[in-house]
Amino acid sequence: DIQMTQSPASLSASLGETVTIECRASEDIYSNLAWYQQKPGNSPQLLIYDANSLADGVPSRFSGSGSGTQYSLKINSLQSEDVASYFCQQYNNYPYTFGAGTKLELK
Amino acid sequence: EVQLVESGGSLVQPGGSLKLSCVASGFTFSNYWMDWVRQTPGKSLEWIGEINTDGSKTNYAPSIKDRFTISRDNAKSTLYLQMSNVKSDDTAIYYCTGGIAYWGQGTLVTVSS
Repeated sequence: DIQMTQSPASLSASLGETVTIECRASEDIYSNLAWYQQKPGNSPQLLIYDANSLADGVPSRFSGSGSGTQYSLKINSLQSEDVASYFCQQYNNYPYTFGAGTKLELK
Repeated sequence: EVQLVESGGSLVQPGGSLKLSCVASGFTFSNYWMDWVRQTPGKSLEWIGEINTDGSKTNYAPSIKDRFTISRDNAKSTLYLQMSNVKSDDTAIYYCTGGIAYWGQGTLVTVSS
């Protein structure tokens, strides 16, 4: 199985700040990577697919980048509604696997 | 509006069986590979398996293979997860997903005696 190592596990940032969350795959996943946002009590919502493509309706302050085994999610100008948990998922190889998640809070 | 509505979650005893359903609307269900994903009380996400558009092909996570079966009825726009010989580790919220794009609200399965 491909292991997805996500960091940091938790993150505290101020409004307007830029934050970056990273995911490292245990082998090349050829940009077959998605990022999700999950708010308390809700199901995960797709933010980014194919490593850098913005899903429909997602604000442009979210962006994804990376290739090979290293990927990142960047949130520019942090807003209060961005407080949530974030997960990466690889869909290059079965079984598809998720990172452990990053909990983002406001400082 | 895309909707995925799961149902069937409940309290079940270890070794028991349960069948979850997921009714889709707002998109062409028969065109999408469909997946089941679960989220444990500790909040980690685990992919369970996937079925192709006509139901002829499935892939499963090793942790549930031979215990869980995914099927679909395109005429009813419904996805199923048949769970058998359940264990306490199967306690989770179960989500159906349309590829990676669409997620349901989840249904809770609790395995306990």
